[in-house]
Amino acid sequence: AAGVIQSPRHLIKEKRETATLKCYPIPRHDTVYWYQQGPGQDPQFLISFYEKMQSDKGSIPDRFSAQQFSDYHSELNMSSLELGDSALYFCASSLGDRGNEQFFGPGTRLTVL
Amino acid sequence: ILNVEQSPQSLHVQEGDSTNFTCSFPSSNFYALHWYRWETAKSPEALFVMTLNGDEKKKGRISATLNTKEGYSYLYIKGSQPEDSATYLCACTSGTYKYIFGTGTRLKVLA
Repeated sequence: AAGVIQSPRHLIKEKRETATLKCYPIPRHDTVYWYQQGPGQDPQFLISFYEKMQSDKGSIPDRFSAQQFSDYHSELNMSSLELGDSALYFCASSLGDRGNEQFFGPGTRLTVL
Repeated sequence: ILNVEQSPQSLHVQEGDSTNFTCSFPSSNFYALHWYRWETAKSPEALFVMTLNGDEKKKGRISATLNTKEGYSYLYIKGSQPEDSATYLCACTSGTYKYIFGTGTRLKVLA
């Protein structure tokens, strides 16, 4: 069965650079969620989209933005990268929002040097 | 501020033992409670989503219950196996607070 696809799997950037992470949900899933897990830290919910509209917003920094496109894939844009942005970024998708089961992608490991 | 607490923080059990852990959350404006299984450097696995008071869900040897009136959920693992070793996280959606995660229970099953 098709799963959530994230690209790239690994990304190395320098401070103050920009990064774009992509998430392709399971076919027919209309909701995408983004999470950040720093080294040794609890996961943090960043933002979610339902039917191409932002549905919930968590602890996403102002330097980050995200959107969901007409094919339901989502991109997380991160600007003015800081060392503290180094983390695993997970994307999840679900059919419908909030109360439905989420399926996670393999994650993108971002390292900021 | 929404506090989601899990206990115990870590747990070692012998293979074959049954175990359970707790997720506590504020009961006001509750919407949904999620349980995840999270192994280091692997994708999290969503175990259960529960929304109604009294919900009970089961997946294989793992089951969960929900009490929204008193603000807690239990996760049970029957006959623990070494492959159950992971961090079990709960997350609560309540009112305007979205997916606040607990600190997790780190389970180690000893063969």
